[in-house]
Amino acid sequence: GAGVSQTPSNKVTEKGKYVELRCDPISGHTALYWYRQSLGQGPEFLIYFQGTGAADDSGLPNDRFFAVRPEGSVSTLKIQRTERGDSAVYLCASSLGWGNTQYFGPGTRLTVL
Amino acid sequence: DAKTTQPTSMDCAEGRAANLPCNHSTISGNEYVYWYRQIHSQGPQYIIHGLKNNETNEMASLIITEDRKSSTLILPHATLRDTAVYYCIVTNAGGTSYGKLTFGQGTILTVHP
Repeated sequence: GAGVSQTPSNKVTEKGKYVELRCDPISGHTALYWYRQSLGQGPEFLIYFQGTGAADDSGLPNDRFFAVRPEGSVSTLKIQRTERGDSAVYLCASSLGWGNTQYFGPGTRLTVL
Repeated sequence: DAKTTQPTSMDCAEGRAANLPCNHSTISGNEYVYWYRQIHSQGPQYIIHGLKNNETNEMASLIITEDRKSSTLILPHATLRDTAVYYCIVTNAGGTSYGKLTFGQGTILTVHP
């Protein structure tokens, strides 16, 4: 079946701009996670959704970052006033429920010039 | 979640078994050991997980010591396509962590012809 998909695969933006990154989880998966991976590092947790609500957003670096999942399926990660330090690969994962095995998408590579 | 320690890098000849070790001496009774790998420019790929018993699937085998303080991932017949960063992760499938994954630096496995 279809895996986790993320769009766009690459995004180049200028400092100060707003960006949205989209994640389509595996059908039927109620849990959704966002991670960020900087060059040469392992992925770092950002936020977790169970259904429509963000159960844990402790990994979001600051209030420029926000994520939604209005219908409990697709999620959008939103970054305001982007900075060069936001450049990274943003990964999305989904699982049947919280605590179950997570399956990752291919990621979105964000470059802030 | 318990911290894990893995060698920075390992080499393996094609066709031979690759044995990747992981130490997790502070693991608690309800924490699982998960293994993921990440091939260059792709999202992490789930390999296998276990609690205390040894596990095997079509990709690999996971051997967990009786005291659960360490484990070994075994790729029985490594191929060039197994060249990747391998992450050993210990996570509480329930509780307040919601199963979020804490990635370390992982082991860079290079399979040689």
